[in-house]
Amino acid sequence: AQSVTQLDSQVPVFEEAPVELRCNYSSSVSVYLFWYVQYPNQGLQLLLKYLSGSTLVKGINGFEAEFNKSQTSFHLRKPSVHISDTAEYFCAVSDGGAQKLVFGQGTRLTINP
Amino acid sequence: NAGVMQNPRHLVRRRGQEARLRCSPMKGHSHVYWYRQLPEEGLKFMVYLQKENIIDESGMPKERFSAEFPKEGPSILRIQQVVRGDSAAYFCASSPPTRAADTQYFGPGTRLTVL
Repeated sequence: AQSVTQLDSQVPVFEEAPVELRCNYSSSVSVYLFWYVQYPNQGLQLLLKYLSGSTLVKGINGFEAEFNKSQTSFHLRKPSVHISDTAEYFCAVSDGGAQKLVFGQGTRLTINP
Repeated sequence: NAGVMQNPRHLVRRRGQEARLRCSPMKGHSHVYWYRQLPEEGLKFMVYLQKENIIDESGMPKERFSAEFPKEGPSILRIQQVVRGDSAAYFCASSPPTRAADTQYFGPGTRLTVL
């Protein structure tokens, strides 16, 4: 069975500082990986996804993530955060065939001025 | 192109009542997924449907919960005889009828409160 671990439940950073949100997964098959963002009282919006090819994936709002197969990780990074990035971030995995997404517990990113 | 629509956005029920949550997928999407988000937790898969078919219901509780996606109309998640533990946000997602790993587009969710 697949699982996703987001190592930090909360990450506070100062505005314009860099940030990394960590995500590790376990799966016995090839996987597809996703990062979603959830703003307060809203649904989930896709930030980026890895299906195949280049291990560095660029997404919306200046975010990027790197797929590391040997470390089974898919960490999300942004070089300079803004107040508007305050939200909950979810890492998710799918084995493609099963279609369903398996989500991590989420990381709450708080940006301090 | 309208996104995934869910209604109602907020639903309050007393214990023992029935809750019906509706989801209209994006235009052209024939795959629908339901997820549940309990307070302070991530989303948990419940069920995956295509038109008139349940493809995967491995995440559905064995009792009181059912889902359908009829040929015409929205997908419905039905919870009978609700209990306080059913209080959660229920999200619907949809994807187009193509191969696996297509992006799932999420609706705004229905927040169910059971009194």
